[in-house]
Amino acid sequence: AQSVTQLGSHVSVSEGALVLLRCNYSSSVPPYLFWYVQYPNQGLQLLLKYTTGATLVKGINGFEAEFKKSETSFHLTKPSAHMSDAAEYFCAVYGTSYGKLTFGQGTILTVHP
Amino acid sequence: EPEVTQTPSHQVTQMGQEVILRCVPISNHLYFYWYRQILGQKVEFLVSFYNNEISEKSEIFDDQFSVERPDGSNFTLKIRSTKLEDSAMYFCASLGQQNQPQHFGDGTRLSIL
Repeated sequence: AQSVTQLGSHVSVSEGALVLLRCNYSSSVPPYLFWYVQYPNQGLQLLLKYTTGATLVKGINGFEAEFKKSETSFHLTKPSAHMSDAAEYFCAVYGTSYGKLTFGQGTILTVHP
Repeated sequence: EPEVTQTPSHQVTQMGQEVILRCVPISNHLYFYWYRQILGQKVEFLVSFYNNEISEKSEIFDDQFSVERPDGSNFTLKIRSTKLEDSAMYFCASLGQQNQPQHFGDGTRLSIL
């Protein structure tokens, strides 16, 4: 079985500051990990993915995440926040390569001027 | 870029009525999914569908729910007799290849009165 825990339901940063959104997972098989972003009244848009290979993955809009197996973590970072990054972010894990996604609770990111 | 499309964007229905939510997955995709997100909660898996049959379903997906791929393009979710607690955002997703991320539609907001 798989599970995802996102630490912090709300994160607030200033424009230009580092963004760090935390995700820890539990999986009985090697995980496939994803970050999705949801803007108000919109669907889920893929930010980045980890399947195999390089543990540091880069996504859209300047985001990146590092898969750390020893820590069972997949934290999302961005060096410099922009106002347009304000949204809700979801970490998700596959148990199998085509099965259901299990989502974390989501983290709402607020960016202050 | 191909998209998953969902209709309607908002559905208001009286309790006890049947509702059908419609999705057009990306045309060459083979795996199809429904998720729901109750307001303020995380995204939850409902059902996955492959090769014209359900491949996995959650405990939420009880006898009131059914899915169908009536033709080569549509993928529908039917709720037979809606309850107040069915009020949620329902997302359709599709997947072309294993190990790749699922593509989500913008969702249908279902409001049960």
